[in-house]
Amino acid sequence: AQSVTQPDIHITVSEGASLELRCNYSYGATPYLFWYVQSPGQGLQLLLKYFSGDTLVQGIKGFEAEFKRSQSSFNLRKPSVHWSDAAEYFCAVDNVNQFYFGTGTSLTVIP
Amino acid sequence: DTGVSQNPRHKITKRGQNVTFRCDPISEHNRLYWYRQTLGQGPEFLTYFQNEAQLEKSRLLSDRFSAERPKGSFSTLEIQRTEQGDSAMYLCASSPTGGRNYGYTFGSGTRLTVV
Repeated sequence: AQSVTQPDIHITVSEGASLELRCNYSYGATPYLFWYVQSPGQGLQLLLKYFSGDTLVQGIKGFEAEFKRSQSSFNLRKPSVHWSDAAEYFCAVDNVNQFYFGTGTSLTVIP
Repeated sequence: DTGVSQNPRHKITKRGQNVTFRCDPISEHNRLYWYRQTLGQGPEFLTYFQNEAQLEKSRLLSDRFSAERPKGSFSTLEIQRTEQGDSAMYLCASSPTGGRNYGYTFGSGTRLTVV
């Protein structure tokens, strides 16, 4: 069955520090993978996506993610976090006509 | 391109009442999706349309829920006889055909509170 696991419910980082958010997926075929960000009370904004090609993908706001098939992972990274990055982050796998989302990781940024 | 628009942003209703939400997708997108997000969870798929045809429905979409997209443009989601368990954020998204190649564009959602 298709599923996405985000092991970290909440992460706190200092502004300027690096960030890595973990995502593991379960999918029978070649996965289409996405990272979305959600600010409080808002909808979801697409950060980046992967479905083929280079396994290191670049997204908006300085985010990148690396697809590792052997580990069934698609971790999100950012080299230097800004206070405005505080939000909820969701990893998702596309199952042709619907997404399966993880439960999200809440990011707090401290000055 | 004004993005995906959802109305109302917030809705408080008494248990047992009917509610209707509206979603206006990006005009050139022929696919429209509804998701439900409860507190502390990721969004869960409810249903999707290709133009005016409703092609897939989740088991989460009980008989009290109905969605329409009459002219292949805007969509409505109606919940009849609301229950407290229906309290959630209802998210609409749209995409071109082959949405998995592009990702979906989500609206800001309608937050429903059933009291």
